Amino acid sequence: AQSVTQLDSQVPVFEEAPVELRCNYSSSVSVYLFWYVQYPNQGLQLLLKYLSGSTLVKSINGFEAEFNKSQTSFHLRKPSVHISDTAEYFCAVGSGYSTLTFGKGTMLLVSP
Amino acid sequence: KAGVTQTPRYLIKTRGQQVTLSCSPISGHRSVSWYQQTPGQGLQFLFEYFSETQRNKGNFPGRFSGRQFSNSRSEMNVSTLELGDSALYLCASSLGGHDEQYFGPGTRLTVT
Repeated sequence: AQSVTQLDSQVPVFEEAPVELRCNYSSSVSVYLFWYVQYPNQGLQLLLKYLSGSTLVKSINGFEAEFNKSQTSFHLRKPSVHISDTAEYFCAVGSGYSTLTFGKGTMLLVSP
Repeated sequence: KAGVTQTPRYLIKTRGQQVTLSCSPISGHRSVSWYQQTPGQGLQFLFEYFSETQRNKGNFPGRFSGRQFSNSRSEMNVSTLELGDSALYLCASSLGGHDEQYFGPGTRLTVT
């Protein structure tokens, strides 16, 4: 069985400040990891993914996440956030077939 | 390439009724997964279909069922609706392996 823990339900931050959204997982098998973002009244959009290879993965809009196998973590970071980054962020772990286990989500609130 | 589409987008039903939701995957994707999203439980996996076969099933009662057609379109059915079935139902498609899932906008089901 797999599980994902997102340690913070809400993260308030000022615009242009750095942010880290934490994600820890537990699994007895090899995993692949994702971060998804959900804007109000919309479905989930893939932000970035780790399947194999380099443990540092980056998105086109400035987010990055590092897979740390020893700490079973996949924290999401951005050095400078914008108002438009306000959304809910979900960490997910998958293994085997196309089945994802999601964390409870972290609401990122960016204020001016 | 068109994204994942779900119909209807909104639905209001009465307790005891049944409902059918539809999902059209991205062209070429053979895997369709269904998730239930609620404020209390977050995102929970319902089931996954690949080439018309159910490959995996989450921990939901038998009132929740699904199927996939030869063109990869999928439907899920919920019978004898309960108030607790009110949720956003998300469909996701993928190629079927360890790749990312692409989500539709969801169907918002309200049970009164």
